[in-house]
Amino acid sequence: DQQVKQNSPSLSVQEGRISILNCDYTNSMFDYFLWYKKYPAEGPTFLISISSIKDKNEDGRFTVFLNKSAKHLSLHIVPSQPGDSAVYFCAAVYGGSQGNLIFGKGTKLSVKP
Amino acid sequence: DVKVTQSSRYLVKRTGEKVFLECVQDMDHENMFWYRQDPGLGLRLIYFSYDVKMKEKGDIPEGYSVSREKKERFSLILESASTNQTSMYLCASSSWLYEQYFGPGTRLTVT
Repeated sequence: DQQVKQNSPSLSVQEGRISILNCDYTNSMFDYFLWYKKYPAEGPTFLISISSIKDKNEDGRFTVFLNKSAKHLSLHIVPSQPGDSAVYFCAAVYGGSQGNLIFGKGTKLSVKP
Repeated sequence: DVKVTQSSRYLVKRTGEKVFLECVQDMDHENMFWYRQDPGLGLRLIYFSYDVKMKEKGDIPEGYSVSREKKERFSLILESASTNQTSMYLCASSSWLYEQYFGPGTRLTVT
């Protein structure tokens, strides 16, 4: 049973517009969430994270929002650029685990010029 | 910058061969992980290690084993490669923080 779900396998956005990638989770024990970005034939790179005690974290063009009551988080990219085209993975972890991240299946973002 | 390196970017092996994938990290991280990535399935954890000589099974350990003799090195072993082990293999490391740092991956093809 998937504990972290990314229900949209793909998303297409025009350059300059906002990209919104969504992630839902089922385990209320999760207390830290991360987003990774992956280009083909490369390893994932860490993008941004958020602790469960916060509801928003911002880093440049990237903002992550957390809605604990809905068990939902989202990554906003504003403005979107063609270089943002990649697969984005949402991941979650809970304290007391050994740092094992539970990953979603990913969303492929295409930003069109 | 954290650097995680993997011994090969591309590897082609025959069914039944024993395959070794090596991973080395240079940041003195305690934790190391092996994942495989397949289209539509995301990243699935095979094994992880939180200390030298320690190992724990992940979600899909069948057909794999691991070795961690030194803190910086974590090896994944396919005892007898099969075609369903054709995949992208990713190694990662982390310290006490949750962020994992990934290597570039090894694209393994078993024929």
